[in-house]
Amino acid sequence: DGGITQSPKYLFRKEGQNVTLSCEQNLNHDAMYWYRQDPGQGLRLIYYSQIVNDFQKGDIAEGYSVSREKKESFPLTVTSAQKNPTAFYLCASSMQEQETQYFGPGTRLLVL
Amino acid sequence: KQEVTQIPAALSVPEGENLVLNCSFTDSAIYNLQWFRQDPGKGLTSLLLIQSSQREQTSGRLNASLDKSSGRSTLYIAASQPGDSATYLCAVRRSQAGTALIFGKGTTLSVSS
Repeated sequence: DGGITQSPKYLFRKEGQNVTLSCEQNLNHDAMYWYRQDPGQGLRLIYYSQIVNDFQKGDIAEGYSVSREKKESFPLTVTSAQKNPTAFYLCASSMQEQETQYFGPGTRLLVL
Repeated sequence: KQEVTQIPAALSVPEGENLVLNCSFTDSAIYNLQWFRQDPGKGLTSLLLIQSSQREQTSGRLNASLDKSSGRSTLYIAASQPGDSATYLCAVRRSQAGTALIFGKGTTLSVSS
């Protein structure tokens, strides 16, 4: 069953802690993306990757880091430098030539 | 800077009604436009994608149109059903290669039975 999985569904972060959100896809997609969604807001791009071992900052990359060591995986780390991390995080992927982006179920990050 | 606006922010209709959701964007130099559906607390489901060279796309009861020159797109839903209740998001892809989507804030639709 092809698709995008994100884990965990809920994540709690303590003050000063780094946390990592997982995103895996078995669609053989080249491009992967991380978006952040706040209540009543549209999605905003954090980072994206067009190919393995390469990634680009989006509009709100400060306080976040990513890696793309494998085609299937694009984990996002929320660092302690991100002062307002509470949000719904969505991962997406696409084939370059198809353009349609497919989204995972999301991870909700809360601060303790 | 590209901005995407969706009006109205919320819409309530009785079951069976036809309705139109609006999306406008400030820079007409887009690569394509995509409509998504989002259920509460869930990820996004792609509904329709319109390339910049196309005028409309249809899928079942959904029809999306694109007028690039005026910076507008509409999503038409025919014979609405309670199961259509969700937030509908419009997103444009910039012309440059290797960039991602720019989203509107969405229209939350409620269809009552």
